Amino acid sequence: EVQLVESGGGLVQPGGSLRLSCAASGFIFSSSWMTWVRQAPGKGLAWVANIKQDGSEKYYVDSVKGRFTISRDNAKDSLYLQMNSLRAEDTAVYYCARDRSGTDWGQGTLVTVSS
Amino acid sequence: DVVMTQSPLSLPVTLGQPASISCRSSQSLAYSDGNTYLNWFQQRPGQSPRRLIYKVSNRDSGVPDRFSGSGSGTDFTLKISRVEAEDVGVYYCMQGTHWPPFTFGQGTRLEIK
Repeated sequence: EVQLVESGGGLVQPGGSLRLSCAASGFIFSSSWMTWVRQAPGKGLAWVANIKQDGSEKYYVDSVKGRFTISRDNAKDSLYLQMNSLRAEDTAVYYCARDRSGTDWGQGTLVTVSS
Repeated sequence: DVVMTQSPLSLPVTLGQPASISCRSSQSLAYSDGNTYLNWFQQRPGQSPRRLIYKVSNRDSGVPDRFSGSGSGTDFTLKISRVEAEDVGVYYCMQGTHWPPFTFGQGTRLEIK
């Protein structure tokens, strides 16, 4: 059974940083693209970033370029999202998802950016 | 960026009746490899999204056959042949042909009348 478990969310002040993690199991992590998607409170889904199997390619939505960094550790079956210079509009539940097409999703972790 | 437009945004349906959700893209989603990368997701209240349909019409494992996807080019449809209580939630289309970024529709909220 595929499992994706996100962690690392919390309350942070504007301008602060957080690092999200996603622990994967039940599939060959090193063979899968991985994706981060977010959902602001009461809003729809928004793609944030994805990363190729070996980490050689990374793509971001324009609104997070230069502030967020996606990475992975295939030895630990883990995906990460380093979020710097956080803004109020980054407040959302952040989901990790398997593949570029969202085959499986985690339960999400809530990031709240507020003073 | 490709804009995905869903309609309706709210869909009240009587149990046992059919339901249909439209998704239109601002450009054709047909890719040069012959595939069309249009997916449908369901998000039940309080839950994470779940993929139902990939590449227009392929049902994911465990998805009831009352769900079907169709369409081509810029016009796509998700149909539920007979709505059940467990189908309540928000449905999203997402394109993966012209990326980055991948883009989602606004979501369609299905409720029981």
